[in-house]
Formats: sequence, C-alpha cells, structure tokens
Amino acid sequence: DIVMTQSPDSLAVSLGERATISCKSSQSVLYSSNNKNCLAWYQQKPGQPPKLLIYWASTREYGVPDRFSASGSGTDFTLTISSLQAEDVAVYYCQEYYSTPCSFGQGTKLEIK
Amino acid sequence: EVQLLESGGGLVQPGGSLRLSCAASGFTFTNYAMSWVRQAPGKGLEWVSAISGSGDSTYYADFVKGRFTISRDNSKNTLYLQMKSLRAEDTAVYYCAKGAAVVVVAAGGLFDYWGQGTLVTVSS
Repeated sequence: DIVMTQSPDSLAVSLGERATISCKSSQSVLYSSNNKNCLAWYQQKPGQPPKLLIYWASTREYGVPDRFSASGSGTDFTLTISSLQAEDVAVYYCQEYYSTPCSFGQGTKLEIK
Repeated sequence: EVQLLESGGGLVQPGGSLRLSCAASGFTFTNYAMSWVRQAPGKGLEWVSAISGSGDSTYYADFVKGRFTISRDNSKNTLYLQMKSLRAEDTAVYYCAKGAAVVVVAAGGLFDYWGQGTLVTVSS
C-alpha cells in the first residue's frame, strides 16, 4: 500500500500570511493513462465532512477560492494558501487515488497565530 | 444538487452487526463508483471499501475483509455497508463518498462529494 506522509502535523499562521503544507507519497502516483498525478487535497472543518479542494495534484475544484493552490509531481506535493483567512482554519488531508486501497495522509491542523 | 444521506449507525456490542445505508440523489447513481470512508473519534480519514458503478467490482481494506460487505441497489440509488463481527476499533463516523468515475481505480477513488456521516459505536 502507498503511504502518505504530511508535514507538519500542525501549523499556526497569521491572518493574511502564507500557509504551506507538504505531502509525500511512498511511491509515484503518476497515472500513465493521462500523465496526471492522482493526488487530492481535502479540507475538513470541525463537525463537517471533508471537502474536496484540489485534484490531479493542481486542479482546483469548482468554487474553491483561488488563494488555494497546489503543486507537485511524482512523490512530492504541496498545498499553499496564499493569504490565510479565518475561515481556512481546518484540518487538511492529502490523498492518493492511484491505488486501491487509496490512502490519506495523517492530516495537518491549520490554526491562526 | 448532489446529496448523500447516511443512516443506520448506532451503538452495538462487540461481535454484533449493523447495516449502513447511503441514499444518493442529484446525479446518475449508476455512473459512479462509491466508497465508505471512516474516521475514528479525533483521528484521520481511513478508506474502508469501494464498489464500481455497476456493482460488479468490490474492494475492501484489509482490516475489514471478511467482516464487511459493500453493495448497492442502483434501482433505489442506495449504497450499503453490511458490518458484522464488529470490534471496538471499528468505532467511527462512517462517510459515504461519491467517486469521480464509474470504476474504482484512479478517478473512482477521488471523492468529490461526501455525506454528513453516521456514527457507529462498538461498546459493551
């Protein structure tokens, strides 16, 4: 099974500042059929289900603010929030959907400093 | 509007059984793979099981193989998870999640919509 490792486990950032979360997979998640990386990012706020933010490693889901961006390829991926807003406080998960079973990272808790 | 509504959770004793349901609406149910993903209290997300759009292919996490059975009724737009031989470590919120493709592999394991979840508590 592919193991997804996020860093850091928690992060405190000031409002308006940049937040960056890293995600590493134990093997490549590059899907040869479309040459895209099977990597997604989800946001989960307390008491709510996860919400899809990013898929194919860098494509924003419809309606997701453009302050959220993501990049990476192969085994190393990054989620960036360019200017942190109060409503961005949440736990963020990366997920590979290259394999079955798919795997989630352990989550990164993002708070306001 | 896509909606996923789980039901069937509750308190069950160790060794007991429970069947979860997920009623889907707002999309052509048979065209998409579906999964169950769970989250133990205060913990992260853990994929449990998946089924293709037709229901012909099913997949399970090792920790539930032989104990849980995923199924779907495309005529009722409903996904199921039959759970037996439940253990304390199965205690979690169980989410129904819609895949982004009809097959489970690749995009079928990308979850674009999630239900609100149903809590399963295994305790004596």
